[in-house]
Amino acid sequence: AQKITQTQPGMFVQEKEAVTLDCTYDTSDPSYGLFWYKQPSSGEMIFLIYQGSYDQQNATEGRYSLNFQKARKSANLVISASQLGDSAMYFCAMREALTGDSNYQLIWGAGTKLIIKP
Amino acid sequence: DTAVSQTPKYLVTQMGNDKSIKCEQNLGHDTMYWYKQDSKKFLKIMFSYNNKELIINETVPNRFSPKSPDKAHLNLHINSLELGDSAVYFCASSQEVPARRTYNEQFFGPGTRLTVL
Repeated sequence: AQKITQTQPGMFVQEKEAVTLDCTYDTSDPSYGLFWYKQPSSGEMIFLIYQGSYDQQNATEGRYSLNFQKARKSANLVISASQLGDSAMYFCAMREALTGDSNYQLIWGAGTKLIIKP
Repeated sequence: DTAVSQTPKYLVTQMGNDKSIKCEQNLGHDTMYWYKQDSKKFLKIMFSYNNKELIINETVPNRFSPKSPDKAHLNLHINSLELGDSAVYFCASSQEVPARRTYNEQFFGPGTRLTVL
């Protein structure tokens, strides 16, 4: 069963507009972490932002913020004032335990390709 | 001062050959990973090593074998390469924290683009 769902395969956004990238997840573990990564056309994976399941506040990192709605199991990434350099693939990932405290995995969504138009 | 490095960056080889990809991290992390990213950009975990012990081994063919000589290195050996092995392979590392209420991000290497002809 799909545990991380990114419903937007691709998005076009006008430069300077805000953009929301959707991510929903499914887990029965009360302790989990949610990550967003950016992959530009050059190929490297760049960590953007993290949200823990026990965090009371939504995570923010500069122009990136995470709209964490735990009851709805969603962790949408919001990019404010988009720039041309934001054009990239964006991946949502969830960290959950497999068994015990030392066995875990990072489950990845299929990604959203974001293109910023000038 | 590269955090996670991989060599080579590009690897072109014939079917049936055996090849290795090297990975090193200088972050002092205790866990390292190998991922495969296919042509549709989907990322799949292949292996991870924590303190020189394999803790995840996904259902990858046994032609793939990780080797970790020490905490800073996790190399990937591939025997009898097949066309379907063509992909980008990423090495990553992270530092685990004892408490399960917070997790650290994984740092990725630049990737190795493997092409099997």
